[in-house]
Amino acid sequence: DTAVSQTPKYLVTQMGNDKSIKCEQNLGHDTMYWYKQDSKKFLKIMFSYNNKELIINETVPNRFSPKSPDKAHLNLHINSLELGDSAVYFCASSAPDRALDEQYFGPGTRLTVT
Amino acid sequence: AQRVTQPEKLLSVFKGAPVELKCNYSYSGSPELFWYVQYSRQRLQLLLRHISRESIKGFTADLNKGETSFHLKKPFAQEEDSAMYYCALRVSGGYNKLIFGAGTRLAVHP
Repeated sequence: DTAVSQTPKYLVTQMGNDKSIKCEQNLGHDTMYWYKQDSKKFLKIMFSYNNKELIINETVPNRFSPKSPDKAHLNLHINSLELGDSAVYFCASSAPDRALDEQYFGPGTRLTVT
Repeated sequence: AQRVTQPEKLLSVFKGAPVELKCNYSYSGSPELFWYVQYSRQRLQLLLRHISRESIKGFTADLNKGETSFHLKKPFAQEEDSAMYYCALRVSGGYNKLIFGAGTRLAVHP
């Protein structure tokens, strides 16, 4: 299936733990993104990588560290989880050509920190 | 400051009624605007972009630079239009960075 996929879909963990969310796209895109959607459905960009290079780095606690092993994968690692990290995290990708700049979103990972 | 404002959290209409989802933006550069939609249990996906000037699923949106608005309109709402709608602004810099509004939930009742 051609798409952006994320694992896991749901993640429930305790405060202080370290967790990772994985994202993979098989669309042949060069650029990938991580977004956070809070409880009020507000969607905010966190990071973006282009061909494994970090190009967007918003004001995000340094407990969040993205890692891109290759241009088809962008993982998000979160250290010392806090209650406020509870949210839905979306991965997205897009092609480099501005005419094809639609962002394709994954299904989201719902993170609940207890 | 770069900002997208969608003043309505919820817009509730009856089938066949006209729909207008409001979007205002604040941006000093040349704006590029998009509408993304998320249907129930589906992914967020692009609905339309202002540069295309197209109508998708009966929806249109016109960029009004004087009023800094990009409202989404449809003359006759259908039940299948019920979804979460996000207005987004792409900021310049070549990185395809999108600033999203808070979203408006459209509920179309039979």
